Amino acid sequence: NAGVTQTPKFQVLKTGQSMTLQCAQDMNHEYMSWYRQDPGMGLRLIHYSVGAGITDQGEVPNGYNVSRSTTEDFPLRLLSAAPSQTSVYFCASSYSGTDSGANVLTFGAGSRLTVL
Amino acid sequence: GESVGLHLPTLSVQEGDNSIINCAYSNSASDYFIWYKQESGKGPQFIIDIRSNMDKRQGQRVTVLLNKTVKHLSLQIAATQPGDSAVYFCAEIHLTGKLIFGQGTTLQVKP
Repeated sequence: NAGVTQTPKFQVLKTGQSMTLQCAQDMNHEYMSWYRQDPGMGLRLIHYSVGAGITDQGEVPNGYNVSRSTTEDFPLRLLSAAPSQTSVYFCASSYSGTDSGANVLTFGAGSRLTVL
Repeated sequence: GESVGLHLPTLSVQEGDNSIINCAYSNSASDYFIWYKQESGKGPQFIIDIRSNMDKRQGQRVTVLLNKTVKHLSLQIAATQPGDSAVYFCAEIHLTGKLIFGQGTTLQVKP
């Protein structure tokens, strides 16, 4: 299993440009999520999905869109990039269940985005 | 308010010594705690977890202690090695399922 795969690893955008960060997992996890990580702010939840066709907002959703057309993929879209979106983005997934293991997120390696 | 925080942003230890990384949480409506390790340029990785009905859990070279009375969580790493150098996060999961990450403590291992 590859786990959680994110692409690209690095991206530089100009203000106003759009782009999509890709996330794919091969563990058949129902739950997928996107976090951003900024110095001094820790990991903050952007959007999440509990299954195909279902998405919901997290703590900092403004400026980002997501969709979940398949169980495997959960892309994050920036429609009009702003310098405040310069960050490291992590995709994470977990299986759904009532046991404690269902809360353990598997993270991707991250995508470092710079918006000029 | 809700917060999960670590006491020290940076901890420096000598190789071979034991490390103790602390985490304080403010919300007692929590069911489950996780420690993650994040190496430079990588995503966080699961280390060990503990449920709120336990006060200690041991893994390979790591032990997590939970003190619900003072809302304190700690991660102990025995015989710290250079490969242990990383940022360590605690995460708290409420009964509602909400997950909150702490800020992180950077562990530096001196040779």
